[in-house]
Amino acid sequence: DTGVSQDPRHKITKRGQNVTFRCDPISEHNRLYWYRQTLGQGPEFLTYFQNEAQLEKSRLLSDRFSAERPKGSFSTLEIQRTEQGDSAMYLCASSLDGHEQFFGPGTRLTVL
Amino acid sequence: GQSLEQPSEVTAVEGAIVQINCTYQTSGFYGLSWYQQHDGGAPTFLSYNALDGLEETGRFSSFLSRSDSYGYLLLQELQMKDSASYFCATPSGGSYIPTFGRGTSLIVHP
Repeated sequence: DTGVSQDPRHKITKRGQNVTFRCDPISEHNRLYWYRQTLGQGPEFLTYFQNEAQLEKSRLLSDRFSAERPKGSFSTLEIQRTEQGDSAMYLCASSLDGHEQFFGPGTRLTVL
Repeated sequence: GQSLEQPSEVTAVEGAIVQINCTYQTSGFYGLSWYQQHDGGAPTFLSYNALDGLEETGRFSSFLSRSDSYGYLLLQELQMKDSASYFCATPSGGSYIPTFGRGTSLIVHP
């Protein structure tokens, strides 16, 4: 296993469309996190899974956002009815203990 | 809630030593982590301090003072490749969900 992978790396979509991103964590990591990052800011927490259970969601997370981790392995993040304000880098990270997080390369979303 | 303050930018010359400070306010403290992020890249974990004192890993060291709600990252023998953004982060609660600072852009000059 070479690390956390994310797909796609880039996504351009029109406002109002739905998009789905995938994250494959390091196989033995039970913790999985999704973040959003915009230019000049640190990663902003979106949601957290421990195994297949979604344990935390950011209060800032709109109901247009949903995430799953059906078998406790890969995870998907879906954004419905995208808005221009959703344009950002979406990062996935996995971890054993929570303190040391391994980030994937991210998916850069552009909403036109 | 959690909040972290760090300088927006630091500049230094190759071969020098630079310190990036981070002060935090938290409702519960579970340690301070540091991450490096190059332009266009993903954050990479550098260090984690749960207890007071200095942790050294090669050219990088990280320090924590819980009584002062303060930590720093020390980079020695700076190289051009160290030019990047550096984030401090502190987790909240048992889920260890980190809040990140806004990052410090380190610019290393020849």
